[in-house]
Amino acid sequence: QQPVQSPQAVILREGEDAVINCSSSKALYSVHWYRQKHGEAPVFLMILLKGGEQKGHDKISASFNEKKQQSSLYLTASQLSYSGTYFCGTETTGGFKTIFGAGTRLFVKA
Amino acid sequence: EAGVAQSPRYKIIEKRQSVAFWCNPISGHATLYWYQQILGQGPKLLIQFQNNGVVDDSQLPKDRFSAERLKGVDSTLKIQPAKLEDSAVYLCASSSRQGRDEQYFGPGTRLTVT
Repeated sequence: QQPVQSPQAVILREGEDAVINCSSSKALYSVHWYRQKHGEAPVFLMILLKGGEQKGHDKISASFNEKKQQSSLYLTASQLSYSGTYFCGTETTGGFKTIFGAGTRLFVKA
Repeated sequence: EAGVAQSPRYKIIEKRQSVAFWCNPISGHATLYWYQQILGQGPKLLIQFQNNGVVDDSQLPKDRFSAERLKGVDSTLKIQPAKLEDSAVYLCASSSRQGRDEQYFGPGTRLTVT
């Protein structure tokens, strides 16, 4: 079952914040986040393995609510380099494969 | 550390022809994935290998697609015969552990079927 991402697209000005959501109808073991720039391969951002855990890297962080089967990616003080498509990938309890959402297109303008 | 290698980078074929893609994962990575990414969509898992065994191929169209990973290292994905709807980017990825680990993606092969 493919996870649902929202919003589908977002346009920001440099320095603004954004939140990208990912939800699943199935019990999740982990959530992965990747960013893909146009014409390039997806690049790993972070993986969340425990319910309620928040992880962060610089100004990009994420949370995972195991009970709600949801994850959110937080981009703070966005930079031009944040532009791209963000994918969440979910792994269900007992499964070993990652199913990716349809992606959220993020565009940061100066 | 060398990344995931894929070849060719681009391929144009006519429908009903056959095509093969090659992937060499990061050294020591036991898990290898083949994804199909249609323009504007997320990567769709076609097949997942753990060493040289298949873990999941539930979304592989087995009447036309085949994949192998001999000796648990590099892998080939074949399409025979190709259809117009096979036009996509084929991404290979690898990880050191099955599932619960970051995946490293190769540059992909862009296939156009005319």
